[in-house]
Amino acid sequence: GAGVSQSPRYKVTKRGQDVALRCDPISGHVSLYWYRQALGQGPEFLTYFNYEAQQDKSGLPNDRFSAERPEGSISTLTIQRTEQRDSAMYRCASSLTASVYNEQFFGPGTRLTVL
Amino acid sequence: AQKVTQAQTEISVVEKEDVTLDCVYETRDTTYYLFWYKQPPSGELVFLIRRNSFDEQNEISGRYSWNFQKSTSSFNFTITASQVVDSAVYFCALASSGTYKYIFGTGTRLKVLA
Repeated sequence: GAGVSQSPRYKVTKRGQDVALRCDPISGHVSLYWYRQALGQGPEFLTYFNYEAQQDKSGLPNDRFSAERPEGSISTLTIQRTEQRDSAMYRCASSLTASVYNEQFFGPGTRLTVL
Repeated sequence: AQKVTQAQTEISVVEKEDVTLDCVYETRDTTYYLFWYKQPPSGELVFLIRRNSFDEQNEISGRYSWNFQKSTSSFNFTITASQVVDSAVYFCALASSGTYKYIFGTGTRLKVLA
C-alpha cells in the first residue's frame, strides 16, 4: 500500500519567503508527526497531531513555524519569513495511533534550502 | 533527560564481514521503547525493529540481530555477512511509554565495500 508521501521533495527559496510543506499520511493513521533533520543529525521532533487536533507543538523552534491538519488527514507545515538556519530535511511520519507501541512510518522528507 | 548516543559516526567494512552498530541510551523511565531505523541513500527512513524495556531477549531477523542489555543501557545492532545493500545511515531511537516523541541518536553511517 501507499506510504507516507511528502511534497515537494526539494524546495529552494530565498530568505524572507514563506514556504508550505505538505504531508499525506498513510490512510487510516490517526497520528501525524513532523520532525526536522539537520545534516549529520537524527530527526528532531517538531509537532504532533491526533486526528485534526494539534496536541503538541513544543518542538516548533519559534512562531515562524506553524502546522495544521484541518481534516485529520493531510498536514501542512508552514515556515514564514524563512531564514538560512531553517535549511534542513523536514520529515513527516504517521502512526496508527499515538501509542508508542505503534511504530512511526516516515515519509521521504522535503529538503529545504534557504538561500 | 533522555538521550541516545551513537558514538560511531562512520564504519566501513568489506562485504561479508560482520559489523555491530552501538547504541547507548539514557532515561529515568522504567517503561520505554527502543527502535532502529535505516536511512538508505535514497533518503527515506525505514523501520527495522522496536523493543520494549521489559523484553531483554535478543532478536534475530535473517542477517540482522539485536542485543538489548538494560544493565549497560545498550541496544546494539549486528549485521552478519554484510552486503553492499546494507550501506546506509542507521539511527537508534528511544521513546518513553505514554509519549510519542522519538529521541534519535545522531546515526551511524555504514559503508559496505564490495
